[in-house]
Amino acid sequence: DTEVTQTPKHLVMGMTNKKSLKCEQHMGHRAMYWYKQKAKKPPELMFVYSYEKLSINESVPSRFSPECPNSSLLNLHLHALQPEDSALYLCASSQDRGFVREQYFGPGTRLTVT
Amino acid sequence: DAKTTQPTSMDCAEGRAANLPCNHSTISGNEYVYWYRQIHSQGPQYIIHGLKNNETNEMASLIITEDRKSSTLILPHATLRDTAVYYCIVRVEGAGNNRKLIWGLGTSLAVNP
Repeated sequence: DTEVTQTPKHLVMGMTNKKSLKCEQHMGHRAMYWYKQKAKKPPELMFVYSYEKLSINESVPSRFSPECPNSSLLNLHLHALQPEDSALYLCASSQDRGFVREQYFGPGTRLTVT
Repeated sequence: DAKTTQPTSMDCAEGRAANLPCNHSTISGNEYVYWYRQIHSQGPQYIIHGLKNNETNEMASLIITEDRKSSTLILPHATLRDTAVYYCIVRVEGAGNNRKLIWGLGTSLAVNP
């Protein structure tokens, strides 16, 4: 099984809402990632978790709060977002956090902030 | 800062080889070149990576020039399912031994019947 699943596929939220994005993999990978992708742009790295610990935060605003409850799950908690945060949010996993081995990406959650 | 430059778009006839170029003239000696592609409405998919030698796998071949300032991804027999955005990426050594992927802006490849 080389699949990374993400839920929900689409999310519309207001600026005062709190919501969460979920990501799951069962490949035994110990590194998991959140990326943000705007239209016609490459993905931008947001966070990296290695062995369930946050190892990289690319200066992401605190309205985005990641969580890794166990080695298979990764969440992204959203609060007080701005319309410019509307984007495709991609989750990925890999065997290691050093970007040596290939990353497996989920299909993404399309987020719209109104 | 961008480490790679790619053409914005390319066309290829089905069944022919697709050759996607990438310039990375400021690449350092220990920085690898990676290629991923993203089919519409999907997440990116790993294709291949290399340092200095040419590489081949079941999906593609990667040809890196001797001076490592450029590379070419070759899809030997393109199909309609290869229509996607192809990203040329350099893996750099960041602060604190944290490696990072610096993504290019991508080439939108259209494979035509």
